[in-house]
Amino acid sequence: EDQVTQSPEALRLQEGESSSLNCSYTVSGLRGLFWYRQDPGKGPEFLFTLYSAGEEKEKERLKATLTKKESFLHITAPKPEDSATYLCAVHTANDYKLSFGAGTTVTVRA
Amino acid sequence: SAVISQKPSRDICQRGTSLTIQCQVDSQVTMMFWYRQQPGQSLTLIATANQGSEATYESGFVIDKFPISRPNLTFSTLTVSNMSPEDSSIYLCSVGDSSYEQYFGPGTRLTVT
Repeated sequence: EDQVTQSPEALRLQEGESSSLNCSYTVSGLRGLFWYRQDPGKGPEFLFTLYSAGEEKEKERLKATLTKKESFLHITAPKPEDSATYLCAVHTANDYKLSFGAGTTVTVRA
Repeated sequence: SAVISQKPSRDICQRGTSLTIQCQVDSQVTMMFWYRQQPGQSLTLIATANQGSEATYESGFVIDKFPISRPNLTFSTLTVSNMSPEDSSIYLCSVGDSSYEQYFGPGTRLTVT
């Protein structure tokens, strides 16, 4: 059975304090790994798709990387507006469905 | 990416009643999904809404409890039937594209009393 594990559950950062979130996965035949941002009371907002080990994607202060067993979301010099829950999801070769991790809630203090 | 809207955005319902949630997309899409997000939890897929045929339900979800309609390629509804407090959740629809990326609507926050 596919498993997606995110760590840590919660991360409190000072503004400007860079850090990384982890998403480890155990799946058969990874087709894609997706990162989403979710603000309280809202639907997830798509951030990145990674398809193969070694791939990297960047958007403003966020950078996502992928290895054969895990993905990292690096937040560089975060600002309070980066506070959100970050979700990781995987798509496998078996079907079209996404399996989500439990998320990491990031709080950035000014 | 597609613009997705949901109605209602939130509702408070009495136990034993039913609520129908609408999902509207501004362009035709092949793949449409319904998720549940219980308080403090991640997303769980309820079903895939298939245009012109019955929805495909995930383990633990049944058609009698969560009937789904998909009359065309831009619209779907999810009904939460015979509600109990345990059904209090955020319900989300999403659409998928050929790259398997999914884009989510704003969600419907349901509270059952």
